[in-house]
Amino acid sequence: AQKVTQAQTEISVVEKEDVTLDCVYETRDTTYYLFWYKQPPSGELVFLIRRNSFDEQNEISGRYSWNFQKSTSSFNFTITASQVVDSAVYFCALSEARTGSSGSARQLTFGSGTQLTVLP
Amino acid sequence: IAGITQAPTSQILAAGRRMTLRCTQDMRHNAMYWYRQDLGLGLRLIHYSNTAGTTGKGEVPDGYSVSRANTDDFPLTLASAVPSQTSVYFCASSVERTPYNEQFFGPGTRLTVL
Repeated sequence: AQKVTQAQTEISVVEKEDVTLDCVYETRDTTYYLFWYKQPPSGELVFLIRRNSFDEQNEISGRYSWNFQKSTSSFNFTITASQVVDSAVYFCALSEARTGSSGSARQLTFGSGTQLTVLP
Repeated sequence: IAGITQAPTSQILAAGRRMTLRCTQDMRHNAMYWYRQDLGLGLRLIHYSNTAGTTGKGEVPDGYSVSRANTDDFPLTLASAVPSQTSVYFCASSVERTPYNEQFFGPGTRLTVL
């Protein structure tokens, strides 16, 4: 069964600090997809990034960067020079590609989330 | 463009009452989903629909039912609410129900069952 672990329940940083949010996943499939979503205080979930299991190239988008390492089953998210507006709950999620009798295939499994607070 | 709308925004409900949470999307997405969000547990899938006319069970389907009469609407019904169904409910949609399609989420419905 697929599983996503976000060990950091809460993180507080001061504005302009860099912060890394950890995500560790478990899957028996060789083809899978990893996602990060942001949930700001307003409550809606916003898609940030998708990564497939065959693409280990790290990605940078502005102040955001993602480090995907299959060897350690991790897909960590770093915010550089954090800002107060980055304060949110961040979710890592996993989706497997195989079709299985359990019905869990193609299901998006979320981690428990990391509450990031950026202080001014 | 609204994306996904959910109603009501919040609701307080007496145990044993029937409640339907509404979800409408205007993106013509084939797949739709219902999740519940509980502190420390992330989001868990309740039910999903691959396309209009079909539905399937997710991780925590007990006590909930869904229907998909058309592409746009995907209501979630609690036949007889219990306090353990107190949660924030999110409706989501994706172009197709594939492992690589990102899901788009509604604003959520906060439900309290007393």
